[in-house]
Amino acid sequence: SAVISQKPSRDICQRGTSLTIQCQVDSQVTMMFWYRQQPGQSLTLIATANQGSEATYESGFVIDKFPISRPNLTFSTLTVSNMSPEDSSIYLCSGGLGDTQYFGPGTRLTVL
Amino acid sequence: TQLLEQSPQFLSIQEGENLTVYCNSSSVFSSLQWYRQEPGEGPVLLVTVVTGGEVKKLKRLTFQFGDARKDSSLHITAAQPGDTGLYLCATRNSGNTPLVFGKGTRLSVIA
Repeated sequence: SAVISQKPSRDICQRGTSLTIQCQVDSQVTMMFWYRQQPGQSLTLIATANQGSEATYESGFVIDKFPISRPNLTFSTLTVSNMSPEDSSIYLCSGGLGDTQYFGPGTRLTVL
Repeated sequence: TQLLEQSPQFLSIQEGENLTVYCNSSSVFSSLQWYRQEPGEGPVLLVTVVTGGEVKKLKRLTFQFGDARKDSSLHITAAQPGDTGLYLCATRNSGNTPLVFGKGTRLSVIA
């Protein structure tokens, strides 16, 4: 199994600023992903974080807005850039090990 | 990308009642997973079903995979307040691709 931690757990940010969310996995995982979850909604995939190369983004998400790093097999960051109130959401990190995906507790972001 | 339809979207029941949640697709699932998410936490895997017609039990939870592998159900017997949460079905398009989730069923069990 894998235990995933995220920092910060929550933040309140001003419009136009950027926030970087960190994701740490306690074991080496083959795949890492970032999801967004709007209040009361399901999870929407933002991107796959690739080690040592550019992330693979889903339709509707772009690198300039959500730059992602993955320097090794256990760590990744997601930056939410030039934030607006529409970016208020929960951001979840996920790691894949075999057929199972494990999830972090999420980062609750509020943009004023 | 495979689309997953979940129903009902919301469910509020009294403690001790039974309930069933459904997950459907127009395409065949290679496999299907059910997750539960509680407030302030990430989703936690409950079960994976792979074979058409498969039935798996986890205490008071019974998971069924349709014979044609296009639908699945989650049945909870004698629901308890601790069952409250968001229930999500999820699948992969292939191999190591990320999970795609249904919209979820938000269950509230009232004591």
